[in-house]
Amino acid sequence: GAVVSQHPSRVICKSGTSVKIECRSLDFQATTMFWYRQFPKKSLMLMATSNEGSKATYEQGVEKDKFLINHASLTLSTLTVTSAHPEDSSFYICSGQGRGNEQFFGPGTRLTVL
Amino acid sequence: AQSVTQLDSHVSVSEGTPVLLRCNYSSSYSPSLFWYVQHPNKGLQLLLKYTSAATLVKGINGFEAEFKKSETSFHLTKPSAHMSDAAEYFCVVSENADGLTFGKGTHLIIQP
Repeated sequence: GAVVSQHPSRVICKSGTSVKIECRSLDFQATTMFWYRQFPKKSLMLMATSNEGSKATYEQGVEKDKFLINHASLTLSTLTVTSAHPEDSSFYICSGQGRGNEQFFGPGTRLTVL
Repeated sequence: AQSVTQLDSHVSVSEGTPVLLRCNYSSSYSPSLFWYVQHPNKGLQLLLKYTSAATLVKGINGFEAEFKKSETSFHLTKPSAHMSDAAEYFCVVSENADGLTFGKGTHLIIQP
């Protein structure tokens, strides 16, 4: 089956720094990618929908200037958490949508902001 | 290690008839279990979740699921299907703060 990778799997950073998370579709082209975050034992929260070559669509309450999303190619979307704060610590997951609208989920990235 | 198996890749029912989407899991600990729905070109939407409280969980849009530890199952049901229920459904397990495991999804088709 199709594979989506995320890099890094874990990252620890200092407060005030920026962190970039990559989401790659390894064997298919994903015109649409979704970014989610999850707090422990909580459900996923959709952050934004990323379409290749266009601006991401952010969900209400998600700061687009803080969570920068770039979807420059059909196999790569990046999420940059700018000026990270401890409350940004979370588990971030991406998914790629194939041409048949099927979804493939990445393994997630654990972000810890000190 | 945790895993999730959605037993049916496609389920087709007639409008007004019951829906059953099957999910079996394996987990070393007491897991949290979720069902999500995804409509085309939309993000996941939470239907319901189990987090070690009541074993019968009621969700949105008339869906419910029962956690059966002895059967390691968390099947999703709805008494009467509606055309708007046609979508992709994902069963998800989480046993710690560090990861989720997704089922491969079940495509629900509603026949008029």
